[in-house]
Amino acid sequence: AQKITQTQPGMFVQEKEAVTLDCTYDTSDPSYGLFWYKQPSSGEMIFLIYQGSYDQQNATEGRYSLNFQKARKSANLVISASQLGDSAMYFCAMRDGGATNKLIFGTGTLLAVQP
Amino acid sequence: KAGVTQTPRYLIKTRGQQVTLSCSPISGHRSVSWYQQTPGQGLQFLFEYFSETQRNKGNFPGRFSGRQFSNSRSEMNVSTLELGDSALYLCASSSRLAGATGELFFGEGSRLTVL
Repeated sequence: AQKITQTQPGMFVQEKEAVTLDCTYDTSDPSYGLFWYKQPSSGEMIFLIYQGSYDQQNATEGRYSLNFQKARKSANLVISASQLGDSAMYFCAMRDGGATNKLIFGTGTLLAVQP
Repeated sequence: KAGVTQTPRYLIKTRGQQVTLSCSPISGHRSVSWYQQTPGQGLQFLFEYFSETQRNKGNFPGRFSGRQFSNSRSEMNVSTLELGDSALYLCASSSRLAGATGELFFGEGSRLTVL
C-alpha cells in the first residue's frame, strides 16, 4: 500500500536561512508523482512543487527545490532564504501512476519562521 | 484565470441534518476530487470525478456522496450529519485524470462544524 511519512511534526527556522522538510514514501508502482503543498492558517492548500518518478532532474520552483532520492524513496522539500510568510503547515503527497488524481498525504510539518 | 472556488466557506449544522458543498474547478479542468481534513485523521480522499463520472472513491460511509455536472462543477453531500463529520472539506481540480504533471490545484475549502 502507498504511504507517505513526514517525521517532523514541527520545525523552527530563522528568517533568511534555508530549511529542509523531510518526506519519505512507499509504493510498488514504478510510475508516481510527488507533490508538496503549503497550508496557511486560512486552510487553502497551495501547490509548491512537483516531481515525477521518471524526471531526471530535481524539481525547482523559485525558492523551493525538491531533493529527490529515488533509491532511498525520499522527496525532501528545501526552502531557501526563509521568509516570515513561509510559516505554515507543509504536506507531502503522492499520486500513483494509474488513471487517477487521488493523492495520499503525509501528516504534515508545521514550520515556524522566526525573525 | 480564476482558481478553484468552494462554497460555502463556513457553515454550521446540527446532528442529523444534511449538507451540500459546491466546488467550481478552474476553467477547462474536468477532473475534481474531494478530501476531508480533520485533526485526528489528517487529509483523506473522498472521491474523484472526471467528465461527470465517479472514477474513484475513498473509504467513507454511504452518507457521503457526490456528483459532477456537465460544466465540471461538483457537489458533495453528507446526509445524517454526525459530530465526527466536522472538518475542512477541500476540492482539487485538474485538466486531466492523471499524467506526468503536477497540475492539481486546491480551493480554500469549506469548513463544516456539526453541533
